[in-house]
Amino acid sequence: KNEVEQSPQNLTAQEGEFITINCSYSVGISALHWLQQHPGGGIVSLFMLSSGKKKHGRLIATINIQEKHSSLHITASHPRDSAVYICAAPGNQFYFGTGTSLTVIP
Amino acid sequence: NAGVTQTPKFQVLKTGQSMTLQCAQDMNHEYMSWYRQDPGMGLRLIHYSVGAGITDQGEVPNGYNVSRSTTEDFPLRLLSAAPSQTSVYFCASSPGGGGNYGYTFGSGTRLTVV
Repeated sequence: KNEVEQSPQNLTAQEGEFITINCSYSVGISALHWLQQHPGGGIVSLFMLSSGKKKHGRLIATINIQEKHSSLHITASHPRDSAVYICAAPGNQFYFGTGTSLTVIP
Repeated sequence: NAGVTQTPKFQVLKTGQSMTLQCAQDMNHEYMSWYRQDPGMGLRLIHYSVGAGITDQGEVPNGYNVSRSTTEDFPLRLLSAAPSQTSVYFCASSPGGGGNYGYTFGSGTRLTVV
């Protein structure tokens, strides 16, 4: 059983589409993290959130602590958004989802 | 600011060889950690440190050693490399542990053990 489950595993979208990536976790956490891994392999931290919603540019992350569920939304998707998006739940360990590979086609 | 610097970027080892992956950060972060990333598995925590002189095991520590003699450096040692250790390794740092702070990742080391 994985402590962090992401869906979908793979996602292809047309430029301009609204995208949603879901994350469910089973561990108790203080904050959930969303990471972005570029095709070159580098990982950057996008969001850390413990409640409600956070927005950065076209990216929006939401979390429902009671339901242990988080979503990452991308509005007006662009080919440069193509990457792997990873959610991570820190507990006694730091558990990662296997990632959602997003491809945005022009 | 360099952030988190990992060296080398690529390495090929023969089975049984030892080596050290270097990780250095210049942000005065207390928390540092090592992960491996394998296809279909996601990132997995190998070892972590909450400050100089303090280290602890993560999910997959076997075959790896760490030490934290300074705040800046957190090297990962492979004692006797095995093909199962072929992976991409990432080092990350954070102002504190517990997941309450953002993480800064190094660019990764791609290791192949033949």
